[in-house]
Parts: sequence; C-alpha cells; structure tokens
Amino acid sequence: QSALTQPASVSGSPGQSITISCTGTTNNVGSYNLVSWYQQYPGQAPKLLIYEVTKRPSGVSNRFSGSKSGNTASLTISGLQAEDEANYYCCSYSGTKYFYVFGLGTKVTVL
Amino acid sequence: DVQILESGGGLVQPGGSLRLSCVVSKINFNTSVMSWVRQSPGKGLEWVSTISASGYSTFYADSLKGRFTISRDSSKSTVNLQMSSLRAEDTAIFYCATLNNNAFHLWGQGTMVTVSS
Repeated sequence: QSALTQPASVSGSPGQSITISCTGTTNNVGSYNLVSWYQQYPGQAPKLLIYEVTKRPSGVSNRFSGSKSGNTASLTISGLQAEDEANYYCCSYSGTKYFYVFGLGTKVTVL
Repeated sequence: DVQILESGGGLVQPGGSLRLSCVVSKINFNTSVMSWVRQSPGKGLEWVSTISASGYSTFYADSLKGRFTISRDSSKSTVNLQMSSLRAEDTAIFYCATLNNNAFHLWGQGTMVTVSS
C-alpha cells in the first residue's frame, strides 16, 4: 500500500505556528481515528507525539496538537522553537491487510 | 525509565539469515503488544511486524512475503525477529517498539542490518 503523503519540508520562524499535513485514503486516514505522529532527530529513534488523532502522551508539550478532516490529518506545532527542528512522520492504521502505513516524513526547519 | 534494547544486527550476504532480539525492562512485558519498525538509510519508517501480548497472534507487512517470523519469550522479556532470504532492500535500522492504542509508544534505539555481498 502507498505511503501517506506529507510535504517534504515545512519551515517557520521562532514563535510562529506551522502545520504539517498527512494525506491518505478512505482505506486508512479517512476510515480510522487512529493517526499518530512521531518526531525524530537525526541519529535517534522516533518519539511519539500524538496518537488517536488528537491525544498527547504524558510528557509531550501541549504545543503539539493533532486534527483530522476527511482523508487528511494534520500536526500543528505552536510557538515554534529551535528544538522543534526535526523530521516528523505520520502513521495510520490501515485495516487488517496492511495494518500500519507511515508517511514519508516532513523536515521542519526553524528559520 | 523503560528500556528497550535491540541487538543482533550486522552485515549479512544476500540470501542470508539474521535473528534480531529486543529485551524490554521496567514495563509489564506480559501485557505489552510488541512491534518491529524499520527505516532504510535516509528513508522513512516502515511497519514490519507485530506480536500480541500472548504471542498467539502475529502480523506482518504484506511486502515481506513470509520471509520474517516474529516471536516472544516472556521468561526473558524478549521479542525476536527471525529474518531469512534477506535482500539488499532489507538494509535498514530495525526498531523494536511497544504498540498501544494503535500507536508505537516506546522505542528502542535500533539495530542496523546491512545486506550486502
């Protein structure tokens, strides 16, 4: 199954808000409220930021928020900080044949 | 803190086999659903396999076509991934992670698998 579609890069200035989109199909994002988002620094393991579209695990900053509309999920980073410069991946449950599909990732640059 | 530690990666020739292991500590392993996720060099993440808490149910990415087998040993709090008929495109960092609420919550640091002659 095809990967979810994310913009290759998004940039913003400190303090601004940015939004990363994640577009799937009715087979995954559109059918399940089971989208998760991960932050990954170079050379490090991914870290869960958002699960079930909008929920934040304990310890994750409330500057990170998730939403979904139709086949597209979104991650918004508010009050952008230098430490937010990283790669971000979305993931969706995709049913009992393909199970989990990831996006190709978005590189966030803080200007 | 929870620890997830992968091992077993290395260099293997095309067509060869390799067994990855993942030891988990400081969480209730017996109630944890465990997964493997891989990341090819410079590329994105790809779900590989998941095993239920009991070990009775296993799930695999369709693309693997039966070459990988996931298992778990509750006595050692370990999850294994037996990989066979390895190909160059299997070259990746393999991460072990807990799966909860259909999200990968806790991750290990990964183990690198290189398939090359």
